[in-house]
Amino acid sequence: QQQVKQSPQSLIVQKGGIPIINCAYENTAFDYFPWYQQFPGKGPALLIAIRPDVSEKKEGRFTISFNKSAKQFSLHIMDSQPGDSATYFCAASNGGGFKTIFGAGTRLFVKA
Amino acid sequence: DSGVTQTPKHLITATGQRVTLRCSPRSGDLSVYWYQQSLDQGLQFLIQYYNGEERAKGNILERFSAQQFPDLHSELNLSSLELGDSALYFCASSEGQYTGELFFGEGSRLTVL
Repeated sequence: QQQVKQSPQSLIVQKGGIPIINCAYENTAFDYFPWYQQFPGKGPALLIAIRPDVSEKKEGRFTISFNKSAKQFSLHIMDSQPGDSATYFCAASNGGGFKTIFGAGTRLFVKA
Repeated sequence: DSGVTQTPKHLITATGQRVTLRCSPRSGDLSVYWYQQSLDQGLQFLIQYYNGEERAKGNILERFSAQQFPDLHSELNLSSLELGDSALYFCASSEGQYTGELFFGEGSRLTVL
């Protein structure tokens, strides 16, 4: 119940493409769903986050889509650029809990 | 720069040894979290401290221990090291005791030979 399942493991897209990364969770107590971006040699950094009372959130070229009934959420990167090449982690936590559970990560490569 | 400082950045040691990893959280953050990232693996939650007290435990081995000091810095102690303990160890901090946005350090890469 504490798992967050993320797919795909890796993704290669052409510049300008729209990579989509999917995550699924079981625990309905989760109420905060962030995405973190990690470049090689660096720690993860928060990219965008959503709470389950909305179905979509956009920040720049990054969009989270959230499906509460299916317990799934996804990250879309519009007009992807080579600089977006990184590992992306979805995560989940709940306000009454003390830990954030991370997905296994998706390694994205955007071809120039 | 997240404001979270971890030392050392790299550490090479032998099996059976003990090491200590150190973390200074962002100014004002009271919570510190430790995560382990093995090769091609996600981030495995180890333990969380809030204002000096242990708040949550994850998949932390009995050979590992941590503490948070009055100045809020934290140390993760790894003992009787095994080859499988080789990993990146991340510290993160947040303002409150309930997780929201986590600010990660750049990690300590441990290699056990």
